[in-house]
Amino acid sequence: DAGVIQSPRHEVTEMGQEVTLRCKPISGHNSLFWYRQTMMRGLELLIYFNNNVPIDDSGMPEDRFSAKMPNASFSTLKIQPSEPRDSAVYFCASSYAGGPREQYFGPGTRLTVT
Amino acid sequence: AQRVTQPEKLLSVFKGAPVELKCNYSYSGSPELFWYVQYSRQRLQLLLRHISRESIKGFTADLNKGETSFHLKKPFAQEEDSAMYYCALRGGGADGLTFGKGTHLIIQP
Repeated sequence: DAGVIQSPRHEVTEMGQEVTLRCKPISGHNSLFWYRQTMMRGLELLIYFNNNVPIDDSGMPEDRFSAKMPNASFSTLKIQPSEPRDSAVYFCASSYAGGPREQYFGPGTRLTVT
Repeated sequence: AQRVTQPEKLLSVFKGAPVELKCNYSYSGSPELFWYVQYSRQRLQLLLRHISRESIKGFTADLNKGETSFHLKKPFAQEEDSAMYYCALRGGGADGLTFGKGTHLIIQP
């Protein structure tokens, strides 16, 4: 198993552009999490899904951010319009809610907004 | 609100010396505590969790509810222990984790 897959690994974009980050969880996992990591704030939970349903999006910074999980094997995090302060590493993680709930992390997407 | 505090951004010790990475938490209920580790160029991965009471790679951590701490310890550091270490909390039946800001552990030869 390749583990959690994220794409792209690096993204550089200009302020105002739309950015879409993608995540494929581990097969069989039914919980998916999006985290953001910055120097100032560390690792923060943005949103998580159970069985494709958003459960807690209280960490989503503002309306510019949106996340979807159309099926059990795919999720997106979209930023529109992007701003320089959105520059961060975005991690996706998945777990099996019916078991020990250990979260497995993807390699992250490093986003730079200029 | 729940919070995790790791007071040391950087900790440097010599090989063979004892290591203690500090973690304090703030949570009104009964939390689950975890330590995650990120080695250079690798993914964040679970090191240990308090409910397992296990020792992984020689590391142990005991939950002290009185002091609201979950310090990570190892009696004899090895060079391969150099990494970023994150303390995390899960509480209230929620699934998301609250992380500390991490401690960069450097083991000097």
